[in-house]
Amino acid sequence: AQTVTQSQPEMSVQEAETVTLSCTYDTSESDYYLFWYKQPPSRQMILVIRQEAYKQQNATENRFSVNFQKAAKSFSLKISDSQLGDAAMYFCASWRGGATNKLIFGTGTLLAVQP
Amino acid sequence: SQTIHQWPATLVQPVGSPLSLECTVEGTSNPNLYWYRQAAGRGLQLLFYSIGIDQISSEVPQNLSASRPQDRQFILSSKKLLLSDSGFYLCAWRINRDRVWGRFTEAFFGQGTRLTVV
Repeated sequence: AQTVTQSQPEMSVQEAETVTLSCTYDTSESDYYLFWYKQPPSRQMILVIRQEAYKQQNATENRFSVNFQKAAKSFSLKISDSQLGDAAMYFCASWRGGATNKLIFGTGTLLAVQP
Repeated sequence: SQTIHQWPATLVQPVGSPLSLECTVEGTSNPNLYWYRQAAGRGLQLLFYSIGIDQISSEVPQNLSASRPQDRQFILSSKKLLLSDSGFYLCAWRINRDRVWGRFTEAFFGQGTRLTVV
C-alpha cells in the first residue's frame, strides 16, 4: 500500500527563522515522486516543491528545500527566512508511477508564522 | 495554457437530496482526473480517479459515485446525501504520464466546492 505520514499536526515559527516539516512515506515502487503542497486559508492547493525519487540531489525552490532520505523513506521540507505569507496548511504527497496513477496525501501540518 | 474549472464554489443541500459537482479541464487532452474530499481540519482523501473516458477507480466505498462522460469532464454525484458527506471537495488533473514519456508534472487543483449537508 502507498501511504504518507505527517506526524506534526501543527508547527510554529518566528518570522525570518527556519522551520522543518516532517514527512515519511511508504512505497514498494522504485519509480515515484514526492511533493509538498501548500494550502492557504483560501484553500487553493499550491505546489511548493517536488522531488523525483531517481534523483539523488535534493530539490530547492528559493526559500524552500527538501531533505530526501530515500533509504529512510523520509521527505522533509525546510522553509528558510519564514514569512507571514508562509502560514498555511502543508501537505506532503506521493505519486506512484505506472498505471495506477494515484496521488496520495498526508494529513497535513498547520504552520503558523509569528511576527 | 491549461485551466481547471470546478463548480459550484459553495453548496448547501438537505439530507437525502441528490448531488452533482462538475469539473472540467481546458487546454490539455487525456488528463488523469481526481476527486478528493477534505473534512474540516483534515487531510485530503482520494475518492475517485480516472485515466480515461468511462475509466473510473473508486478508492473508498461510500455514498458517492463519479463519471467521466467526456475526456475533460469529471462529475461527482450522489443519489441521496448524508450528513457525513459534508466537506470540501477538490478536483485535480495531471498529464497522463503514459502519453508523455519521461516527463512529469504535478497535479493542478480546482478552487474546490464547500458542501454542507443539513
